[in-house]
Amino acid sequence: EVQLVESGGGLVQPGGSLRLSCAASGFTFSTYWMSWVRQAPGKGLEWVATIDQDGSEKTHVDSVKGRFTISRDNARNSLYLQMNSLRAEDTAVYYCAIRFHHRFDYWGQGTLVTVAS
Amino acid sequence: QSALTQPPSASGSPGQSVTISCTGTGSDVGDYNFVSWYQHHPGKAPKLMIYEVSKRPSGVPARFSGSRSGNTASLTVSGLQAEDEGDYYCSSYIAGVTVLFGGGTKLTVL
Repeated sequence: EVQLVESGGGLVQPGGSLRLSCAASGFTFSTYWMSWVRQAPGKGLEWVATIDQDGSEKTHVDSVKGRFTISRDNARNSLYLQMNSLRAEDTAVYYCAIRFHHRFDYWGQGTLVTVAS
Repeated sequence: QSALTQPPSASGSPGQSVTISCTGTGSDVGDYNFVSWYQHHPGKAPKLMIYEVSKRPSGVPARFSGSRSGNTASLTVSGLQAEDEGDYYCSSYIAGVTVLFGGGTKLTVL
């Protein structure tokens, strides 16, 4: 059974940093592209970042470029999102998802990030 | 890039059919066969219901179907059941690895 479990969310002040993790199991992690998708309170889903199988290709949405970095550790079956210079508008539930072609086949239950003073 | 346009709400009685639209442009929905639909129950993991406009993943009931006409994609749920209630999001590939989502539609089973 595919499982994606996010962690690392919490309350952080504007300008602060957080590192989200996603523990993957039930599939061959190293063979799939992975993504982060977020949902701000009362808003729709927003794609944040995608990484290829070996971490050599990374793409981020314009609003987080230069602040967020997606990465992975295939030996640990883990996906990460390093978030720096956080803003109030980054407040959201962050989901990790298996990216296959141009869809998201499986998702985790998400971790909440709240940016507030 | 603006989000794809979905109606904020839709509803139907058990057994009825309901269709949710997703309107984009000729640069996304109308240009690629990579439209997907997701069901989301708050607090739970979103679930892929339709991919590549009209294909159903294994395990998704045949009551769910997808289609597209021009720049508008649609999700139809036939024979509505109480468990179909939830939020539904469409998405479309744009370019590179970018994916654009719709604003979501809250489906209520009356």
